[in-house]
Amino acid sequence: SQTIHQWPATLVQPVGSPLSLECTVEGTSNPNLYWYRQAAGRGLQLLFYSVGIGQISSEVPQNLSASRPQDRQFILSSKKLLLSDSGFYLCAWTHDYEQYFGPGTRLTVT
Amino acid sequence: GQQVMQIPQYQHVQEGEDFTTYCNSSTTLSNIQWYKQRPGGHPVFLIQLVKSGEVKKQKRLTFQFGEAKKNSSLHITATQTTDVGTYFCAGRNYNQGGKLIFGQGTELSVKP
Repeated sequence: SQTIHQWPATLVQPVGSPLSLECTVEGTSNPNLYWYRQAAGRGLQLLFYSVGIGQISSEVPQNLSASRPQDRQFILSSKKLLLSDSGFYLCAWTHDYEQYFGPGTRLTVT
Repeated sequence: GQQVMQIPQYQHVQEGEDFTTYCNSSTTLSNIQWYKQRPGGHPVFLIQLVKSGEVKKQKRLTFQFGEAKKNSSLHITATQTTDVGTYFCAGRNYNQGGKLIFGQGTELSVKP
């Protein structure tokens, strides 16, 4: 069966510090991968999606970036965090039409 | 761009009462999905509706897709405390890239 992992689960970072969140998927190959952000426990905002290694589409211009160095690895990064980057970051992959979400990383920028 | 609006934002009900959340899209959808997110958890897929006027049931949950494929609803009969969480609709339009566009969600609380 397929499994999606995210780490860390929680993170507290100061403003201006870098960020690296990792997502890996097991049990499937060539998945479509997504990064979402959920602010204040509400709606899901699509940040990036990837249909293959090295292929990244950005949905919202901001100080975040994404990379897909391996087929089942998706990384979300920032060089300098802003207070507004706080939120719940969710990685997801698509199987047929369903989206399966990872457990998420709760980021607080102080 | 395509937008998906969901109402209400919050709903507080007494256990045993019914609950309904509504979803409206600015454009015609190819399909619509519903997800549930428990407090502190991640969204979990519930169902997908594809056909105009489609109605699907999962135990006490009834999902409807409008005739024009621009709106949808989720109705829960006789709510239980286990129904607590945020319910999201997500619409997809293959003529506009096919990405899922999520509504803002309806947070349901159930008082025992």
